[in-house]
Parts: sequence; structure tokens; C-alpha cells
Amino acid sequence: NAGVTQTPKFQVLKTGQSMTLQCAQDMNHNSMYWYRQDPGMGLRLIYYSASEGTTDKGEVPNGYNVSRLNKREFSLRLESAAPSQTSVYFCASRVTNSPLHFGNGTRLTVT
Amino acid sequence: GQQLNQSPQSMFIQEGEDVSMNCTSSSIFNTWLWYKQDPGEGPVLLIALYKAGELTSNGRLTAQFGITRKDSFLNISASIPSDVGIYFCAGRESGGYQKVTFGTGTKLQVIP
Repeated sequence: NAGVTQTPKFQVLKTGQSMTLQCAQDMNHNSMYWYRQDPGMGLRLIYYSASEGTTDKGEVPNGYNVSRLNKREFSLRLESAAPSQTSVYFCASRVTNSPLHFGNGTRLTVT
Repeated sequence: GQQLNQSPQSMFIQEGEDVSMNCTSSSIFNTWLWYKQDPGEGPVLLIALYKAGELTSNGRLTAQFGITRKDSFLNISASIPSDVGIYFCAGRESGGYQKVTFGTGTKLQVIP
């Protein structure tokens, strides 16, 4: 029972490079989320998808795009990475009125 | 974006001691959640609180949903080394997409 799976676990990018963070959940949850975690800032919402076929901006969407590929998968894309995007990225999912379930994170460094 | 005020930011305690941490907000929430994050992993839900005044326990953990709906606390009794980690509170709104706002975390270190 995998829950929420994120790939890759670690990534180093040069400024200006692009990459896609992958997330998949096997719990049949309708809503999926991308957060970033920075020291002293807690978790901040980047984008979310309330249901398959919809995506919306969270608190800090600039520099990111997302795709809800199907009910299971929700990817986060950095088109042109910047050092300010160095962070730990967490994907989460849930059904309505239930708590979030998190993946184990992707640690991204942009040099 | 809004952040919850969580305190303390960090604490060192002796094994066996009790621990208390709390969160306050300027906004009302309909649900309070407490998560624990171990190093290198994602947050894991410890306790969920759904009603103002509710007091809920999960083993050695006890959490309360403040009567004003703007605060919550978490107590850990008789701490053990595996309690080490970062504890996050989170408040969830009821409308819209049920936005969840996270506290900045309390880093707990337990000295054996």
C-alpha cells in the first residue's frame, strides 16, 4: 500500500533548467496538492487540483505549472528554475473533509 | 499568505518529560490538525479535531480544539527518543477548497 509516491527524491538543477516533479497516489483520492517547505516558513501551497480535470493556484504559484494527468497523477513543472526555488516539495492528496496524506518529498537544489 | 503562530519554535527535553506546544490564529478554523515530520519524510497525521472544545487523545498524545476556534494545543506525555521530529499544526477552513494553513513547526529534541 504505497499511499503518495513522489519522484525523484533528490534533484540538482542549474539556473534556467527545467524539470517535472511526479506524484502519484493509489488511494482513489479526488484532490491533490503541491506544497513547498522552506526553513521557518512551514508548508506553503503552490497549486492544487480539487478533482480530475481542474487545477488552481495556491499561495505561491509563480514559476510553476501543474498537470492533473488523471485521477492518480499530479505533476509539478519548473520551466526555468531559479535559486529561489530551492526547497523541499511535497505532494499530498485527500478526499473531501478528510486530512491530507503526504508523500516523502523531493529535495530540489537550484545552483 | 497566512501563517499560524506556532510556539515554541524548538525545544530540548529530557526523556520522560511532558511536552506542550500550541498554535494561535487570527482566523477561525473548522478543523485543527496536528502532524509530525521525521527527518527525510513527509508529515504524518497525528490527531484531527473537528469541534470547538474537543479534547482528543492518541496514545501519549492529547490535543485540544480551542473554544474560540482560533487556537489548539498538543501535549505529549512521558516523552521517548522516537518523539524527536518537527510537529506542525494546521487549520482547515470549511468553504471553497477547504484551504489548509500550516504553522511554522516546533522542532522537538529528546535527550535520552
